Amino acid sequence: EVQLLESGGGLVQPGGSLRLSCEASGFTFSSYAMSWVRQAPGKGLEWVSTISGSGGSIYYADSVKGRFTISRDNSKNTVYLQMNSLRAEDTALYYCAEDVLWGQGTMVTVSS
Amino acid sequence: EIVLTQSPATLSLSPGERATLSCRASQSISTYLAWYQQKPGQAPRLLIYDASKRATGIPARFSGSGSGTDFTLTISNLEPEDFAVYYCQQQGFTFGPGTKVDIK
Repeated sequence: EVQLLESGGGLVQPGGSLRLSCEASGFTFSSYAMSWVRQAPGKGLEWVSTISGSGGSIYYADSVKGRFTISRDNSKNTVYLQMNSLRAEDTALYYCAEDVLWGQGTMVTVSS
Repeated sequence: EIVLTQSPATLSLSPGERATLSCRASQSISTYLAWYQQKPGQAPRLLIYDASKRATGIPARFSGSGSGTDFTLTISNLEPEDFAVYYCQQQGFTFGPGTKVDIK
């Protein structure tokens, strides 16, 4: 079955860190760029980061540049998002996405 | 970073009517534009990519057009399941703020 499964979300204090994972199945993972997209409660979609299929090209939204790091392990069909220096405004449902295919998201809550 | 704006913010229409949604980019993005539909509690669904190509399984009543900085999503003959929020996206990058299509 073609799917993306996110994990790693949770409650973290401001200034803390969290690593999200997204495991892909059912398609040739290394052939596709992967993105992280977030959605704060009741708000719109916000693109966070994109990594090319090989991992050689990486892009970040200005709002997370310098704090978040995207990476992938094609041997494990998994893409990661390392999130450091978390802020309250990073609270959101984080989706892993590949254009057509989206996961169901993992919730990140930044609060003391 | 390219900024996308969408108009109107809300569109109130009746089933069977035609919906016309606009998306404008702050600089040219050629035809690298996608449209997504999102319903409450669901992940977004890709409708259109490369400005005018329908994704697999998307009904023909959804059509996209435009290039450069101005793009349009048209939904002809609205069905009850089409009432949702629609986002444009510079493919692989930023999203617009969304247009909510609700029932009049």
